[in-house]
Amino acid sequence: GDKVKQSPSALSLQEGTNSALRCNFSIAATTVQWFLQNPRGSLINLFYLVPGTKENGRLKSAFDSKESYSTLHIRDAQLEDSGTYFCAENNYAQGLTFGLGTRVSVFP
Amino acid sequence: ETAVFQTPNYHVTQVGNEVSFNCKQTLGHDTMYWYKQDSKKLLKIMFSYNNKQLIVNETVPRRFSPQSSDKAHLNLRIKSVEPEDSAVYLCASSPGTGYAEQFFGPGTRLTVL
Repeated sequence: GDKVKQSPSALSLQEGTNSALRCNFSIAATTVQWFLQNPRGSLINLFYLVPGTKENGRLKSAFDSKESYSTLHIRDAQLEDSGTYFCAENNYAQGLTFGLGTRVSVFP
Repeated sequence: ETAVFQTPNYHVTQVGNEVSFNCKQTLGHDTMYWYKQDSKKLLKIMFSYNNKQLIVNETVPRRFSPQSSDKAHLNLRIKSVEPEDSAVYLCASSPGTGYAEQFFGPGTRLTVL
């Protein structure tokens, strides 16, 4: 968790609202992945990023390697978006380094 | 179905026992990994392996060892479990080596009594 800092640690969202999650990297990341860990514990792939931006439905992610950060935007939050969001960097091709996660709760 | 499969889902054992967890991927990937997720939900790499190279995280105790029969399988053996080994163990795979996208299995939850 030291090399990858995620914020906020927890987030409560009303259905239909928007929010942003952030990851800061203490050393330059080569690639970044974002995952959603659902209540059953499965890690669902959301985005795989080289520097740049990607969008998938209500989710959008950006990775700025020069400034060493990545963001994940949730638009029009739905109940099924609840879970823990993890970002991870791949720096040395020896496995991912994860942040501590952002626990997101969406309420009606 | 192409995915990463892990068995068992759960395992409860006593201190000192040996355990082995299975991982199989049907994605045709070349590299497989084991991660440990502790009680605080922190995920840490334990091993990465392809048919040429095993990379071990230096913090992993020697009682842990990966075992591979072919590039689609990477099992995890723990020789003599200790209470701090209680965690969720997640297997992953990726195409090629290096910086490719990784895909995870559902995990095996180990409880050591």
